[in-house]
Amino acid sequence: DTAVSQTPKYLVTQMGNDKSIKCEQNLGHDTMYWYKQDSKKFLKIMFSYNNKELIINETVPNRFSPKSPDKAHLNLHINSLELGDSAVYFCASSQVSGRARTGELFFGEGSRLTVL
Amino acid sequence: AQSVAQPEDQVNVAEGNPLTVKCTYSVSGNPYLFWYVQYPNRGLQFLLKYITGDNLVKGSYGFEAEFNKSQTSFHLKKPSALVSDSALYFCAVRDINGNTGKLIFGQGTTLQVKP
Repeated sequence: DTAVSQTPKYLVTQMGNDKSIKCEQNLGHDTMYWYKQDSKKFLKIMFSYNNKELIINETVPNRFSPKSPDKAHLNLHINSLELGDSAVYFCASSQVSGRARTGELFFGEGSRLTVL
Repeated sequence: AQSVAQPEDQVNVAEGNPLTVKCTYSVSGNPYLFWYVQYPNRGLQFLLKYITGDNLVKGSYGFEAEFNKSQTSFHLKKPSALVSDSALYFCAVRDINGNTGKLIFGQGTTLQVKP
């Protein structure tokens, strides 16, 4: 069973379009994250939710909107896509609170977004 | 602000030789440090972590890392490299601001192991 799964794995779309990426974790973790990996492989946090509450919202254009319907799911919607949005987007989860907290993040396989 | 630095963009070693991938950190207080590996077109895989305790931490695939407080370093090591270890390696530190669990990553080091 995949612990953190994201769909789709690949997205190719035109500038100006809207797209969504979905993420689900079956680890029972209380916190989920979106990271962006750019063309130089640098990883930067975008958002994080703890038990459906937004706890991290880095300096990201408001064309990006995360949604967490429950603590096992975190989706990312991007409006009016731009060329610079091309990147790999990683979902991750961790257990932040309680006796089961471990510290490490568990990552999905990534969603490669290409904007033409 | 907390940060980690990986001073080498690429490390080349011959198969069978020991390898070291360097990481230094800058945090206030006690650091939580991590190493991850990323194979091409894959997600990040957790290798090991230092939270507290023994300075030598053992992890997956025969990797280990040594926490050195005086040198603010957390270098990743393996006694005998395999060609299959060739990948991108990330050092990370946990952000102590708030209880978000957020990890701050270094810029990554590409490890190339040649037969």
